[in-house]
Amino acid sequence: EPEVTQTPSHQVTQMGQEVILRCVPISNHLYFYWYRQILGQKVEFLVSFYNNEISEKSEIFDDQFSVERPDGSNFTLKIRSTKLEDSAMYFCASSEFLGETQYFGPGTRLLVL
Amino acid sequence: SQQGEEDPQALSIQEGENATMNCSYKTSINNLQWYRQNSGRGLVHLILIRSNEREKHSGRLRVTLDTSKKSSSLLITASRAADTASYFCATHIGGTSYGKLTFGQGTILTVHP
Repeated sequence: EPEVTQTPSHQVTQMGQEVILRCVPISNHLYFYWYRQILGQKVEFLVSFYNNEISEKSEIFDDQFSVERPDGSNFTLKIRSTKLEDSAMYFCASSEFLGETQYFGPGTRLLVL
Repeated sequence: SQQGEEDPQALSIQEGENATMNCSYKTSINNLQWYRQNSGRGLVHLILIRSNEREKHSGRLRVTLDTSKKSSSLLITASRAADTASYFCATHIGGTSYGKLTFGQGTILTVHP
């Protein structure tokens, strides 16, 4: 069964450093998403992406964040200058149709020191 | 106000018993989705119920939706120890929302063998 994959599974970085989180969505899906989950808290929407542009973003998704689909398979989330509060599990998701079932990857656990 | 609030926050039952988790939300929705998350892992999609549906079944899962009360319930019948996980409801409001899911805090289910 097709699945969303994410790399790396864990990332430790120093405050102020740039990180790139990578995702490979399910191949025939057209809609892509990033969510995050701070430890012990609810899953929060960051951004949705369709047709090579951002469709919607949350207040969390400020200028420090960017997303890109550099080729036909990868979908990346970049955090330009990480802060301590960016420590969280980051989930990528994809869906075939808008508003339908979203399939989540296993997540990248980011720790900012 | 929060969109998507589950109760109870934690539920502890014996194997073989049924588990019922509830979700309430504030605004009109297009659909509501239930996800499972094993400790520290990714989100697994369980079931999607649309706003014009009242009940859906999938294996041992039964989901109901009452749009007049803005609530949903997830019933797991004949629970197993492997059902131990956190369960989240997530709402999609449709309209101008480009697929954004809003998650609740989740219910932590523990099934004792």
